[in-house]
Amino acid sequence: SAVISQKPSRDICQRGTSLTIQCQVDSQVTMMFWYRQQPGQSLTLIATANQGSEATYESGFVIDKFPISRPNLTFSTLTVSNMSPEDSSIYLCSHWTGETQYFGPGTRLLVL
Amino acid sequence: GENVEQHPSTLSVQEGDSAVIKCTYSDSASNYFPWYKQELGKGPQLIIDIRSNVGEKKDQRIAVTLNKTAKHFSLHITETQPEDSAVYFCAARGGFKTIFGAGTRLFVKA
Repeated sequence: SAVISQKPSRDICQRGTSLTIQCQVDSQVTMMFWYRQQPGQSLTLIATANQGSEATYESGFVIDKFPISRPNLTFSTLTVSNMSPEDSSIYLCSHWTGETQYFGPGTRLLVL
Repeated sequence: GENVEQHPSTLSVQEGDSAVIKCTYSDSASNYFPWYKQELGKGPQLIIDIRSNVGEKKDQRIAVTLNKTAKHFSLHITETQPEDSAVYFCAARGGFKTIFGAGTRLFVKA
């Protein structure tokens, strides 16, 4: 399985600012996925990121709020824009190898 | 829409006892059922999975059972140890979408 790393591991941000989260995979993967895990809750898919095309967003998530880049097959970024306290969550990137889904360690975001 | 219900939300057991977590899914097209363990400060880690053509799978102290007719599957942990304490998520996948359960917080008391 490919190893996934994320930066930053955690951050505390002021409302109205933006944060870009980086996800690096140590081998090439076709699709990468971004999830949000609100405190004490399950995982919710934000979007699917393919290299060379625009990300596909799930219902309730929009590109203006969560712009995603996928410049190559090993890297992706998720930006949380114009943050509010409701954006305080763990953000996880993920990929599939065969039928197995792997997750990064997560970025813990607290918005004050 | 599709959903996965997971019970209980919290489970506390004594070390050495067994723990059982149950999930029910709604999408009859689901054919892959993974279980994840999430420790504090970490991302979810796959611990076991089962596919729809199999009724039971075991890996050392953990086992998963699947009843496709009833659309439910369960995780069984035997001889629990303090390091089993974590949040466990079930999931069901059909096609390109994975639906996760709400999670079970397992406490194993030494």
